[in-house]
Amino acid sequence: LAKTTQPISMDSYEGQEVNITCSHNNIATNDYITWYQQFPSQGPRFIIQGYKTKVTNEVASLFIPADRKSSTLSLPRVSLSDTAVYYCLVGERGSGYSTLTFGKGTMLLVSP
Amino acid sequence: EAQVTQNPRYLITVTGKKLTVTCSQNMNHEYMSWYRQDPGLGLRQIYYSMNVEVTDKGDVPEGYKVSRKEKRNFPLILESPSPNQTSLYFCASSRQGNTYNEQFFGPGTRLTVL
Repeated sequence: LAKTTQPISMDSYEGQEVNITCSHNNIATNDYITWYQQFPSQGPRFIIQGYKTKVTNEVASLFIPADRKSSTLSLPRVSLSDTAVYYCLVGERGSGYSTLTFGKGTMLLVSP
Repeated sequence: EAQVTQNPRYLITVTGKKLTVTCSQNMNHEYMSWYRQDPGLGLRQIYYSMNVEVTDKGDVPEGYKVSRKEKRNFPLILESPSPNQTSLYFCASSRQGNTYNEQFFGPGTRLTVL
């Protein structure tokens, strides 16, 4: 699995757009980028995944530049309920991978 | 409803008293795993199973055992719990064991070992 680096924490206010960047300099050609969200005392849940350019769903957008060495999770107009830990994972689609590393993630705190 | 269930949700026990935390999934997933989450240390994988009768160590396997006799069940066994195993535990499953496949997590089991 490619090593990822993301900020430990971020603060925002309700209604603002939040961008969380994840660095993955050694990403491989077959690797995909996946983000999870974890609310306090709950298990993480998948929110978005992408390979290149831009992916958007009802929860977030994921921007991936051409070199794919980083990615940015964008949360539009956050609310208090978006307060959570966000994890960035990078790995390939094929079978055979074993240990999955979530790391410490980014703790996003949204204030009124 | 597709889900991963864990039991119990909360458990307080004493050092040395064997315990089992059950995990079950109804999505016919091949891959199942256990994580523990501790403040400041993030989510760490304990054991995983690529399929029935196939298990392997994750990042922090010491003090834990698992078994995978059926596809849907993946119990976590603490033969002799110690206070440093006090933690929040999550079971997860996915179609395959890689980051491409969405991991589905259970609701968590909060364990306290006195």
